[in-house]
Amino acid sequence: GENVEQHPSTLSVQEGDSAVIKCTYSDSASNYFPWYKQELGKRPQLIIDIRSNVGEKKDQRIAVTLNKTAKHFSLHITETQPEDSAVYFCAARTGAGSYQLTFGKGTKLSVIP
Amino acid sequence: NAGVTQTPKFRVLKTGQSMTLLCAQDMNHEYMYWYRQDPGMGLRLIHYSVGEGTTAKGEVPDGYNVSRLKKQNFLLGLESAAPSQTSVYFCASQWEGPQHFGDGTRLSIL
Repeated sequence: GENVEQHPSTLSVQEGDSAVIKCTYSDSASNYFPWYKQELGKRPQLIIDIRSNVGEKKDQRIAVTLNKTAKHFSLHITETQPEDSAVYFCAARTGAGSYQLTFGKGTKLSVIP
Repeated sequence: NAGVTQTPKFRVLKTGQSMTLLCAQDMNHEYMYWYRQDPGMGLRLIHYSVGEGTTAKGEVPDGYNVSRLKKQNFLLGLESAAPSQTSVYFCASQWEGPQHFGDGTRLSIL
């Protein structure tokens, strides 16, 4: 089955700096890659997603890049703010004809004011 | 439009007791999922359903059963709770796009 590795597990940045979280996946047939943000005690919420026919997608301060050849994708947050502090999860849709997601183990991002 | 609703929000059980967690969605989604979330382990899929009357095993199905008698509801059952099942349980629903999560159920087994 699909395997998703996520790094780093924790990340601390100064307010205003950029943060990058990286994920690799194993199934070359995976075609959909969402990112979720989970604040303490809350539900995971989708912040951005990308499909395999696109190399990059941006939404204000958040961007995701996808390298299908290397089977990795990354989340970029620019001009970080304290409210960006949360756990971020990447995920990959498991193979063709399936809507299951396999999640990475998460990155705890701390933005220091 | 409530989205995905989970009940109860918190529960404490004794070892060997049984209980059912309820997930309800009002988005007419075909696919529904049950995950457990443990510290440092991310979200692990327990069981899922691709439509009314269907269920399938995920990554960690042992000790759990599920039913999808109605399209909008997905039930997760623990027949004989064990301390290893202490976790936060999330339900999600989906149709083609991203999965939408409920607020979770925090379950403690003593």
